[in-house]
Amino acid sequence: DTEVTQTPKHLVMGMTNKKSLKCEQHMGHRAMYWYKQKAKKPPELMFVYSYEKLSINESVPSRFSPECPNSSLLNLHLHALQPEDSALYLCASSQRLAGNYNEQFFGPGTRLTVL
Amino acid sequence: AQTVTQSQPEMSVQEAETVTLSCTYDTSESDYYLFWYKQPPSRQMILVIRQEAYKQQNATENRFSVNFQKAAKSFSLKISDSQLGDAAMYFCAYGLVFGKGTKLTVNP
Repeated sequence: DTEVTQTPKHLVMGMTNKKSLKCEQHMGHRAMYWYKQKAKKPPELMFVYSYEKLSINESVPSRFSPECPNSSLLNLHLHALQPEDSALYLCASSQRLAGNYNEQFFGPGTRLTVL
Repeated sequence: AQTVTQSQPEMSVQEAETVTLSCTYDTSESDYYLFWYKQPPSRQMILVIRQEAYKQQNATENRFSVNFQKAAKSFSLKISDSQLGDAAMYFCAYGLVFGKGTKLTVNP
């Protein structure tokens, strides 16, 4: 299985809602990533987990809360989001968090709209 | 800090022709990997090709090949015999750093 899956595919939420995005991989990868991507822009790194521990937080607002329950799962909890948070949220994984050697496998993304 | 620069926001090519997408990067490391990723409209980002910096030979994957110039820190992607399905955003990447992308249009 060389796939990264993400659910849901689409999500519409109000600014007062609480929702979660889910990502799963069964490739035995020990590094997992969350990215935010606006239209026609490159992915922006948000968080990196290595061996289920948060390794990188790119100064993301606290209304985004990541969680890595086990080596296969990655969640992103959303609360009190703003309309400018509307974007495609991509999950990715790699064998290890390996500095200059990270070959990442991407999921299809969750298209988030905040009203 | 590493940087990745793609200087062509948009490119177009005729079907069956060849196109080259440019990428330059900056690093003080001597050993690393470089990647080209493809993201078709509303579809998943996938790895197109990987170059290992210690290898002098340029990587190739079917119709995709790279021109890797380590001293010049240049890493261009050549797509031969372009097909309509090649239309996508192409991102050059070094580690977790992505270039701004090049939108490739393939004209029939």
